[in-house]
Amino acid sequence: DAEITQSPRHKITETGRQVTLACHQTWNHNNMFWYRQDLGHGLRLIHYSYGVQDTNKGEVSDGYSVSRSNTEDLPLTLESAASSQTSVYFCASSARPLNTEAFFGQGTRLTVV
Amino acid sequence: GENVEQHPSTLSVQEGDSAVIKCTYSDSASNYFPWYKQELGKRPQLIIDIRSNVGEKKDQRIAVTLNKTAKHFSLHITETQPEDSAVYFCATETGNQFYFGTGTSLTVIP
Repeated sequence: DAEITQSPRHKITETGRQVTLACHQTWNHNNMFWYRQDLGHGLRLIHYSYGVQDTNKGEVSDGYSVSRSNTEDLPLTLESAASSQTSVYFCASSARPLNTEAFFGQGTRLTVV
Repeated sequence: GENVEQHPSTLSVQEGDSAVIKCTYSDSASNYFPWYKQELGKRPQLIIDIRSNVGEKKDQRIAVTLNKTAKHFSLHITETQPEDSAVYFCATETGNQFYFGTGTSLTVIP
């Protein structure tokens, strides 16, 4: 069965370190998204991609970057981790056109100490 | 950009009662309105969606209504059960992006 998986599931890192969260999907979806989930804020969009070599900034992109070298993967990098980036991160993918279901990964709980 | 507001933020109901969650949006170009359920510690999963050419959609105990003129849509859960306890998110799709509400934590009291 097709799926979308994130790794690691839990991560503790120190302030200032670079961290990369992996997202891999086997749906063959063109659209991929990264969200962070914080209490009281719901799901906020960090970065998104509509296809290989395409990346775009979302509403909370400062301090994060992504790259899309193939259809299956959209890794999220925190350039220099900050305590404000402690959160649960969800990756999602969807087919074109966009008005169809988005499938979410299991989430990564990141703690920056 | 789009602004999605969701109310209430928390909701408690007795088992068997109905629950209603409401969302408003600002962009009249929005044309797809999904609802996601997120159980504790798990990923959000789609439970129902509606497109702008439809006013109401039902799936067993769950229904969604859409009023495009007023720019609001609602989730209705009838005959609630303890397993309905979760966080529910509304969302819209416009400009090739999804915009999510801030979530409603529903507790069904046995």
